[in-house]
Amino acid sequence: DTEVTQTPKHLVMGMTNKKSLKCEQHMGHRAMYWYKQKAKKPPELMFVYSYEKLSINESVPSRFSPECPNSSLLNLHLHALQPEDSALYLCASSQDWPEDRFYGYTFGSGTRLTVV
Amino acid sequence: TQLLEQSPQFLSIQEGENLTVYCNSSSVFSSLQWYRQEPGEGPVLLVTVVTGGEVKKLKRLTFQFGDARKDSSLHITAAQPGDTGLYLCAGARAGNMLTFGGGTRLMVKP
Repeated sequence: DTEVTQTPKHLVMGMTNKKSLKCEQHMGHRAMYWYKQKAKKPPELMFVYSYEKLSINESVPSRFSPECPNSSLLNLHLHALQPEDSALYLCASSQDWPEDRFYGYTFGSGTRLTVV
Repeated sequence: TQLLEQSPQFLSIQEGENLTVYCNSSSVFSSLQWYRQEPGEGPVLLVTVVTGGEVKKLKRLTFQFGDARKDSSLHITAAQPGDTGLYLCAGARAGNMLTFGGGTRLMVKP
């Protein structure tokens, strides 16, 4: 299995809703990531988990709450989002540093989130 | 200020032409990675270059890492419509930090 699977593919939510994005990989990767990508822009790093522990939070607002229940799963809990949070949310995984230099990252297809 | 500057931002060429995309930085990276992304999909890794001066070839694509490990280039020979997409360079730093350049949007017309 060489894939990162993200669900759902599309999500429309109101500003008062609570929803979760899910990500799964079975490649034995010990680093997992959330990226946010706005239209016609490159992905921007949000969170990094290394060995199931949060290692990097790029000053992301608390309405985004990541969770790593085990080495294969990564969730992103969403609450009280704003319309400007609408974007493509990408999950990725990799070997841990320094091996990720050689093997790169594997990205999922993303969740297209629309906040209304 | 963006850590990685990619140029050009947009490129529209005819099938069969050659092109080069550049990725430049004032910072040193442990590796430079190139990805291609199609609409509605996540980026897909094309190649990683790790050693300064390294050159890697992937069919019609040639990737080069600068001697000082601050810049990289992607050259496509005889472009085809299937090469159309968003090309992203990304620099890897310690601590699982991968930073993307602004991207080059390539369109190859038949």
